[in-house]
Amino acid sequence: GAGVSQTPSNKVTEKGKYVELRCDPISGHTALYWYRQSLGQGPEFLIYFQGTGAADDSGLPNDRFFAVRPEGSVSTLKIQRTERGDSAVYLCASSLDWGNEQFFGPGTRLTVL
Amino acid sequence: GNSVTQMEGPVTLSEEAFLTINCTYTATGYPSLFWYVQYPGEGLQLLLKATKADDKGSNKGFEATYRKETTSFHLEKGSVQVSDSAVYFCALSPSSASKIIFGSGTRLSIRP
Repeated sequence: GAGVSQTPSNKVTEKGKYVELRCDPISGHTALYWYRQSLGQGPEFLIYFQGTGAADDSGLPNDRFFAVRPEGSVSTLKIQRTERGDSAVYLCASSLDWGNEQFFGPGTRLTVL
Repeated sequence: GNSVTQMEGPVTLSEEAFLTINCTYTATGYPSLFWYVQYPGEGLQLLLKATKADDKGSNKGFEATYRKETTSFHLEKGSVQVSDSAVYFCALSPSSASKIIFGSGTRLSIRP
């Protein structure tokens, strides 16, 4: 079956611009996660949704980052006033429920010039 | 806090060599432990896991044992293949949370 998909696969933007990154989880998965992976590092947790609500947003680095999951399926990560330090691969994962195996998408590579 | 420290790479071995990638962790409570693998051009995927002390996770010839006394979860394989070339991440999930905390990754290259 279809895995987690993320669009776009690559995004290049200029400093100060707004970007949206989309994640389509595996159908039926209630839990959705966003991670950020900088070059040469492991993924860092950003936020976790259970259904429509953000159950844990402790990893969001500052208030420029925001994520939504309005219908409990697709999620959008939104970054305002992008900075060069935001350049990274943004990974999305989904799991059947809390505590189950997380399945990762291919990521969106964000480059802020 | 919760953290994972793993052996720095890159690690280069010849085919059929024995592999160990060291991993230690710091955590409160009783975390679950994982090894994830990222093959070239592919997404992150779970290789194996262990959910309690003394559990051994295994998959594709790889093994790791959850050692609470040494807070370690070292990855081993008896005879590596060229197809094992990838980046390996040790990780934990705290007992009271669903998020995963990753180490910085170890790049493994296997020479034919």
